[in-house]
Amino acid sequence: EDQVTQSPEALRLQEGESSSLNCSYTVSGLRGLFWYRQDPGKGPEFLFTLYSAGEEKEKERLKATLTKKESFLHITAPKPEDSATYLCAVQVRNTGNQFYFGTGTSLTVIP
Amino acid sequence: DARVTQTPRHKVTEMGQEVTMRCQPILGHNTVFWYRQTMMQGLELLAYFRNRAPLDDSGMPKDRFSAEMPDATLATLKIQPSEPRDSAVYFCASGPNTGYEQYFGPGTRLTVT
Repeated sequence: EDQVTQSPEALRLQEGESSSLNCSYTVSGLRGLFWYRQDPGKGPEFLFTLYSAGEEKEKERLKATLTKKESFLHITAPKPEDSATYLCAVQVRNTGNQFYFGTGTSLTVIP
Repeated sequence: DARVTQTPRHKVTEMGQEVTMRCQPILGHNTVFWYRQTMMQGLELLAYFRNRAPLDDSGMPKDRFSAEMPDATLATLKIQPSEPRDSAVYFCASGPNTGYEQYFGPGTRLTVT
């Protein structure tokens, strides 16, 4: 069964304290892995797409990496404005090219 | 600044009533997605379209839900009859093609009493 699991569920960091969020997946065939950020009361906002193991993408303080079983979202020297829920999604290479989202990691960065 | 728009933003209705939610995708995007988000289940894909044709709707309860794209600028999600368990935030998203990023609208918060 295709599955996406994110950990931890919640993370509290001091401003400037770097850390990583994890997204592990079990799918029959990966077409793409996506990271989104969601602020309260808003729709998810696209951050990155990764397609193959070894691929990395960066944007400001965020860096996403991909292996054959998991992806990490590294946050370097976070700021309070980085507080949000971070969602991971996979698109499965099957007949319907289905999308599955993880339940997210709620990040709080304390000044 | 191209955005996905959704109407209404909030909807309160009684059980058994019909609910229609509308979405205008970003101009030029050829894939459109409908999601439902709840605290318990997170984001669930209900249906998605490519070039207005339904590609997958396996996540949608077929007896009461229906999704259509009457034209390239409008997608609709209809629930008939609505039930309290349908209470959730419904998101529409569009993308330039399958396998690429999706851009989400602000959502419709549905409450069925």
